[in-house]
Amino acid sequence: GAGVSQSPRYKVAKRGQDVALRCDPISGHVSLFWYQQALGQGPEFLTYFQNEAQLDKSGLPSDRFFAERPEGSVSTLKIQRTQQEDSAVYLCASSLRPVTAANTGELFFGEGSRLTVL
Amino acid sequence: TQLLEQSPQFLSIQEGENLTVYCNSSSVFSSLQWYRQEPGEGPVLLVTVVTGGEVKKLKRLTFQFGDARKDSSLHITAAQPGDTGLYLCAGVSYTGNQFYFGTGTSLTVIP
Repeated sequence: GAGVSQSPRYKVAKRGQDVALRCDPISGHVSLFWYQQALGQGPEFLTYFQNEAQLDKSGLPSDRFFAERPEGSVSTLKIQRTQQEDSAVYLCASSLRPVTAANTGELFFGEGSRLTVL
Repeated sequence: TQLLEQSPQFLSIQEGENLTVYCNSSSVFSSLQWYRQEPGEGPVLLVTVVTGGEVKKLKRLTFQFGDARKDSSLHITAAQPGDTGLYLCAGVSYTGNQFYFGTGTSLTVIP
């Protein structure tokens, strides 16, 4: 498709389970971001990839969170041993060029993956 | 931690009224963007402001970037129900690769 695609759209996990969320960015987009969003709040930065390189992972809440983009296109966000506070919408966004302070560019978002941990 | 604070957090107004949303930070940004997000969807870019003091108009929406490049505002004239949504400011700081979003302003325009 032409846009950013995320799957699954909805995921219910029992506390302690591992989950994997997938992001298919727009073809050819160099930059890829993951965000965590609570209801009615702004997205909080998790991690940033430029092609396959993870340039910043400072926003990942704990070592239970892991993200990868091995071939510079599809990305996966993995959460191990899920906890209730992990419940949120996880948004993926891509941008055509590398994102720098001098070249912000436009972020194109997917519809998000809503994770509910029981 | 979010570097960009928005106010107000919630806004409920009648159709036809005017409103202003503020985005403030203690950090300097090379540019700021405004996005709008509807329920169940990802944010969509409205505008990018790049010069301190810059004013951009998009139909009934007016965006301003502060002279010191630390703040921005969004003014909506004669709000319509279709303006309802979550408004987000966003920017990349000079210090890293992090694309920050603001805390968000949830706008409801009542017909």
